[in-house]
Amino acid sequence: DTAVSQTPKYLVTQMGNDKSIKCEQNLGHDTMYWYKQDSKKFLKIMFSYNNKELIINETVPNRFSPKSPDKAHLNLHINSLELGDSAVYFCASSPDRGRPSGANVLTFGAGSRLTVL
Amino acid sequence: GIQVEQSPPDLILQEGANSTLRCNFSDSVNNLQWFHQNPWGQLINLFYIPSGTKQNGRLSATTVATERYSLLYISSSQTTDSGVYFCAVVYGNQGGKLIFGQGTELSVKP
Repeated sequence: DTAVSQTPKYLVTQMGNDKSIKCEQNLGHDTMYWYKQDSKKFLKIMFSYNNKELIINETVPNRFSPKSPDKAHLNLHINSLELGDSAVYFCASSPDRGRPSGANVLTFGAGSRLTVL
Repeated sequence: GIQVEQSPPDLILQEGANSTLRCNFSDSVNNLQWFHQNPWGQLINLFYIPSGTKQNGRLSATTVATERYSLLYISSSQTTDSGVYFCAVVYGNQGGKLIFGQGTELSVKP
């Protein structure tokens, strides 16, 4: 199946731990993203990579570090987890970095629910 | 930055009813997508519609870019339509940076 797949789907961990969420897309897209959905369901972009190059970096704590080994993978590593990091993290991909004149439809993964205790 | 406002915030329908969801945005946009987040949390892309009208089965969407709004129509609603509907836009030279509205939570009762 062509898709954006994330693992793990659920992650429960203690404060202070370090954890990673992996994302892979087999759609042949050049650009990948991480979005965070908070407890009020508000979705906000965190990072975007185009062909392994960081192109969007919102105001996110340094404890969050994305890594893109190739254009089909974008992993999210979080150090020293805090209670406020509890959220659902969505990976997404799109055909390109979004030229204003082009159609750049984002496809989302199923989400990874992180709970920090 | 751009503001994206959706209305209503909540909507309860009886199965078979029709509804219209609205998305207002405060600046010109290059990209507008409607998503459905189902009760299991999955975000499903419904329409890419920066302007014009599209239809897909019981759903249709219209964006009037010059007046900065988009509408999502749901006809003959079904219980499986329940969930949260999000409008999201890209503006200026923001690449693929989608700015989401706060969503409309729809509940369809049998």
